[in-house]
Amino acid sequence: GNSVTQMEGPVTLSEEAFLTINCTYTATGYPSLFWYVQYPGEGLQLLLKATKADDKGSNKGFEATYRKETTSFHLEKGSVQVSDSAVYFCALSPSLSGGYNKLIFGAGTRLAVHP
Amino acid sequence: DAGVIQSPRHEVTEMGQEVTLRCKPISGHDYLFWYRQTMMRGLELLIYFNNNVPIDDSGMPEDRFSAKMPNASFSTLKIQPSEPRDSAVYFCASSLTASKETQYFGPGTRLLVL
Repeated sequence: GNSVTQMEGPVTLSEEAFLTINCTYTATGYPSLFWYVQYPGEGLQLLLKATKADDKGSNKGFEATYRKETTSFHLEKGSVQVSDSAVYFCALSPSLSGGYNKLIFGAGTRLAVHP
Repeated sequence: DAGVIQSPRHEVTEMGQEVTLRCKPISGHDYLFWYRQTMMRGLELLIYFNNNVPIDDSGMPEDRFSAKMPNASFSTLKIQPSEPRDSAVYFCASSLTASKETQYFGPGTRLLVL
């Protein structure tokens, strides 16, 4: 079946440190891949996405590359800020979902950035 | 656009009471989703609608849960009777048909059943 596995958190970093949050997936066909972010007390927001192999999604200094050979979509940022503290969710949309955009989420990874 | 609107933002009730959560999707969006988020189970899809029609309700935990979408601008999720294990944050999300894979989430309703 379809599933998403994320690294367990919390991830604790100092400001300006490099961030990597690992995400791997299991899916048939060619899913689309997403990273959503949830700030405290808020709903999820789309951070970036990639719809085919080797695509790179990017937004607000975050990047992730769709790697079909390793079934991965790791999130990276070169220099984190305190304001990046949030929970990050990796998700996939199966390619054979019959036109319906059902999202399958990972468990989420909490990031805490300290000054 | 105001985004997805949910009400109430917080709800505290006693076991056995009926709870109704409300959602107004973004205007023009054809899909509406209800999710539940807990520490133990993470983010779970409960049900989703396309053009006001329920498509997949396989995530609804049991018959105590029901969802309706009487028109394109309003949906409800009802729990009757509520139980303490229903305590969670409930999110509504909507999306366009054209960009069918990006979902826009509301701020959530935090439910506590005592």
